[in-house]
Amino acid sequence: QKEVEQDPGPLSVPEGAIVSLNCTYSNSAFQYFMWYRQYSRKGPELLMYTYSSGNKEDGRFTAQVDKSSKYISLFIRDSQPSDSATYLCAILGQGAQKLVFGQGTRLTINP
Amino acid sequence: DGGITQSPKYLFRKEGQNVTLSCEQNLNHDAMYWYRQDPGQGLRLIYYSQIVNDFQKGDIAEGYSVSREKKESFPLTVTSAQKNPTAFYLCASRTGTGGYGYTFGSGTRLTVV
Repeated sequence: QKEVEQDPGPLSVPEGAIVSLNCTYSNSAFQYFMWYRQYSRKGPELLMYTYSSGNKEDGRFTAQVDKSSKYISLFIRDSQPSDSATYLCAILGQGAQKLVFGQGTRLTINP
Repeated sequence: DGGITQSPKYLFRKEGQNVTLSCEQNLNHDAMYWYRQDPGQGLRLIYYSQIVNDFQKGDIAEGYSVSREKKESFPLTVTSAQKNPTAFYLCASRTGTGGYGYTFGSGTRLTVV
């Protein structure tokens, strides 16, 4: 079993839709949860970061962590064509040196 | 501005050649990482280094080598032993403590010709 599982998609939705991206993880020691956005032929950039269960909101983006279910989500409201990218979840354990990445979900927002 | 610089952006390698990818950071980060990205396979860790003059193998180190002689530099050499080197290579760094994530460079696309 992989430490982090993420549906690779691809996922295609119309502009304005609410997008839900998800990852599950197996190690309860993981404590820090991140979402990266990667545009084609570019390096990933940190989009959201959280270290506790619950929701964290930043503009149109909401990161949700449920530690009891080992499940993290990223919601995008009022999706825009500029949101078209690959989204990677990343998780870090306490004292760990390496992030563990999901496979990435390729998202396309259609105008 | 602080960040990570990878060069070159595109690199072409002939069969049997060694090539070196450059990664430089001015973030004063302790740890640096090299990842390989192939379509549909996510990020795979090649090598990482937590301090100068020390580095560890990642999940797919065969056919690659690194050095860490300076804190700000972590070059990756793709050797002729790497049978399928065509990929997108990403360098990242992070501060050594706490729950911080990576800062990534913009990547190098390596193609075997």
